Amino acid sequence: LAKTTQPISMDSYEGQEVNITCSHNNIATNDYITWYQQFPSQGPRFIIQGYKTKVTNEVASLFIPADRKSSTLSLPRVSLSDTAVYYCLVGDLNYGGSQGNLIFGKGTKLSVKP
Amino acid sequence: EPEVTQTPSHQVTQMGQEVILRCVPISNHLYFYWYRQILGQKVEFLVSFYNNEISEKSEIFDDQFSVERPDGSNFTLKIRSTKLEDSAMYFCASSEADRVNYGYTFGSGTRLTVV
Repeated sequence: LAKTTQPISMDSYEGQEVNITCSHNNIATNDYITWYQQFPSQGPRFIIQGYKTKVTNEVASLFIPADRKSSTLSLPRVSLSDTAVYYCLVGDLNYGGSQGNLIFGKGTKLSVKP
Repeated sequence: EPEVTQTPSHQVTQMGQEVILRCVPISNHLYFYWYRQILGQKVEFLVSFYNNEISEKSEIFDDQFSVERPDGSNFTLKIRSTKLEDSAMYFCASSEADRVNYGYTFGSGTRLTVV
């Protein structure tokens, strides 16, 4: 699985757009990019996933440049409840049924202030 | 939205005792996982389970750990003889397929405290 690098922490204010960038220089052809969110004392929650260009859902947008060596999670107009740790994970499309374990890094701790 | 349910939410046990953590995965999911997170540290993979057998396990998942799917709905993690360093949040997860692009659904976790 490709190694990922993301900022340890970020601060923002309510109503701002937050962009968290993740570097994955060794991403492989079959790798997808997935972001999870974790609140204190809760399990990680799947946010968004993409392979290339841009993906958008009701929660966030994911921007992936053509070389796919990085990705940016964009959270529009954050609120206090978006304070959480955000994890970027890169993994193979086809685990073949024997390698499905997600490898979490330290993530980015986002603090949203009023 | 379907949920992964874990019980108990908190468990305190004495060192050396056996504990069983329980999970009810999402009903149509076929792949099941246990992760743990020691306070302030990363979420760590323990084991994956499919078709009534372990698919993969990490170095953490030693002989003290075992998993079982005793019936069609429950998925359990047993720690045979707990140690102080087993204190952590334990998360169960399930997925439709063993592929990262399906996304995993995690439960809210069991906080295990070994005293």
